[in-house]
Amino acid sequence: DTEVTQTPKHLVMGMTNKKSLKCEQHMGHRAMYWYKQKAKKPPELMFVYSYEKLSINESVPSRFSPECPNSSLLNLHLHALQPEDSALYLCASSQDRGPGLEQYFGPGTRLTVT
Amino acid sequence: GDSVTQMEGPVTLSEEAFLTINCTYTATGYPSLFWYVQYPGEGLQLLLKATKADDKGSNKGFEATYRKETTSFHLEKGSVQVSDSAVYFCALSNLDGGSQGNLIFGKGTKLSVKP
Repeated sequence: DTEVTQTPKHLVMGMTNKKSLKCEQHMGHRAMYWYKQKAKKPPELMFVYSYEKLSINESVPSRFSPECPNSSLLNLHLHALQPEDSALYLCASSQDRGPGLEQYFGPGTRLTVT
Repeated sequence: GDSVTQMEGPVTLSEEAFLTINCTYTATGYPSLFWYVQYPGEGLQLLLKATKADDKGSNKGFEATYRKETTSFHLEKGSVQVSDSAVYFCALSNLDGGSQGNLIFGKGTKLSVKP
């Protein structure tokens, strides 16, 4: 099983809402990632978890809050977002962190902030 | 810091045409190189990779060779199909150069294949 699943597939939220994105993998991978992708652009790294600990936070605003409850799950909690946060949010995982190891991506959550 | 440069798209080809998408990189040390593909409405899928100089990655008829002397990793396919229409991202990861092993992506090249 080389699948990364993400829920929900689509999400529309107002600027005062609180919502969460969920990501799950059952490949035994110890590194998990959140990316943001705007239309016609490459993914931008937001957060990296390694062995369930936050390893990298790429200067992301605090209205995005990641959580790694266990080695298979990754959440992204959203609060007080802005319309410019509308994007495709991708989760990925890899066996470990390292330059030769490929990342497996989920299908993404299409987020619209109104 | 490390970077990846891809040819600008979009690229439009007829079915069975030969495909080349150019990718060059700037990096210290010995990065690993990847091609990812993103079909419409989907996440990214690894297409192929190479981890050292002169390695050739191949998958689904696509090939790319890691050329350290020209710092390139061009993607090629001998005969494209309509189903190959997608956005292709060249990427590197490197423990040197400050990127801490994270993926550095090129801007992406959109390929459209017409029947």
